[in-house]
Amino acid sequence: DGGITQSPKYLFRKEGQNVTLSCEQNLNHDAMYWYRQDPGQGLRLIYYSQIVNDFQKGDIAEGYSVSREKKESFPLTVTSAQKNPTAFYLCASSIKIGGPQHFGDGTRLSIL
Amino acid sequence: DAKTTQPNSMESNEEEPVHLPCNHSTISGTDYIHWYRQLPSQGPEYVIHGLTSNVNNRMASLAIAEDRKSSTLILHRATLRDAAVYYCILSYNNAGNMLTFGGGTRLMVKP
Repeated sequence: DGGITQSPKYLFRKEGQNVTLSCEQNLNHDAMYWYRQDPGQGLRLIYYSQIVNDFQKGDIAEGYSVSREKKESFPLTVTSAQKNPTAFYLCASSIKIGGPQHFGDGTRLSIL
Repeated sequence: DAKTTQPNSMESNEEEPVHLPCNHSTISGTDYIHWYRQLPSQGPEYVIHGLTSNVNNRMASLAIAEDRKSSTLILHRATLRDAAVYYCILSYNNAGNMLTFGGGTRLMVKP
């Protein structure tokens, strides 16, 4: 079955550490996205990628980094510069940028 | 950036139609109107989208005002599984057509 896989489902980080969240899709979609969701809030865009080897900052990119070396993969690194990283992180993809998005089940990141 | 305004919450009875409103008075001519819904601890699920004409699919219908400053998502017969947060969002930035999610409407369905 085609879809988006995010791993791990739950992740714990010590303060001062970088951590990488995985996102893989087998839908052959060109565009991929990362969002952050805080409790009771909507989604905010962190980074997006229209095509392999290209990515752009979203509304809240500070403290995060991404790479897009393969079409199927769009990992997100939460760096120690992100002062409040505890949140629910969602990855999505679409055939082309701006089209209907398919979402993964998310990764919940907590700080120890 | 084009923004949307939705009621925080709505209630419906099971098997009755539900009309979820969305205002987007600053929409631009090239913005698409998208609707997603999200169950607790899950990623959002695409529901429907449109530009100018009303749209129907197996999940719902989308009614778009003639001036495009508002739209309504219609669930024809609500079920308990339709209880979720519904987001009305617009693409913005002609170069990127990105989607920005607001707070959404929490739909509660009573048996």
